[in-house]
Amino acid sequence: DQQVKQNSPSLSVQEGRISILNCDYTNSMFDYFLWYKKYPAEGPTFLISISSIKDKNEDGRFTVFLNKSAKHLSLHIVPSQPGDSAVYFCAASEGGTSYGKLTFGQGTILTVHP
Amino acid sequence: DGGITQSPKYLFRKEGQNVTLSCEQNLNHDAMYWYRQDPGQGLRLIYYSQIVNDFQKGDIAEGYSVSREKKESFPLTVTSAQKNPTAFYLCATSRDVDTQYFGPGTRLTVL
Repeated sequence: DQQVKQNSPSLSVQEGRISILNCDYTNSMFDYFLWYKKYPAEGPTFLISISSIKDKNEDGRFTVFLNKSAKHLSLHIVPSQPGDSAVYFCAASEGGTSYGKLTFGQGTILTVHP
Repeated sequence: DGGITQSPKYLFRKEGQNVTLSCEQNLNHDAMYWYRQDPGQGLRLIYYSQIVNDFQKGDIAEGYSVSREKKESFPLTVTSAQKNPTAFYLCATSRDVDTQYFGPGTRLTVL
């Protein structure tokens, strides 16, 4: 049972435009969400996170939005740059006795064209 | 130089052999984790350890074993009981509750 889903395997965007990556979850106990960026044959790099008490968090060009009622989060990258081309994973944690356990989505390949 | 190191980068194993993947950190993080990534899939949790001398099974622990004798080290052994060991293995650490930081990974190939 896939508790965290990224339904778009890939996304192609022109440089300078907005990239929107989406993530849906089914477990209502998730209370903390993260986005990671990954290049081939490397470990994921932490990008940005959001707690369930918030609906938006910004860090430079990256903004994460959380819609708890829809169990949906999205990552916006503005403006997109060719160096943003990578695989993006969303992840979720429910805390409590599951301290530290992250559940990952399948990833979305973002390609930013010059 | 602070960070998480995984060695080796590439590892080849004959079928039926056990192999141990190294993960070392000097970030003074309490928690450490092992994941595997298969093509087209997300990361799946194998084992995790919140403190020294304690570890818990993740979602796919069968065929794997770990130890946590030191805070800095969390080695993963892939045993011959693991049916599909070829994968990219990632080690992670965390200081606070949820944000995990990853090492560079080890690509294991079973010949």
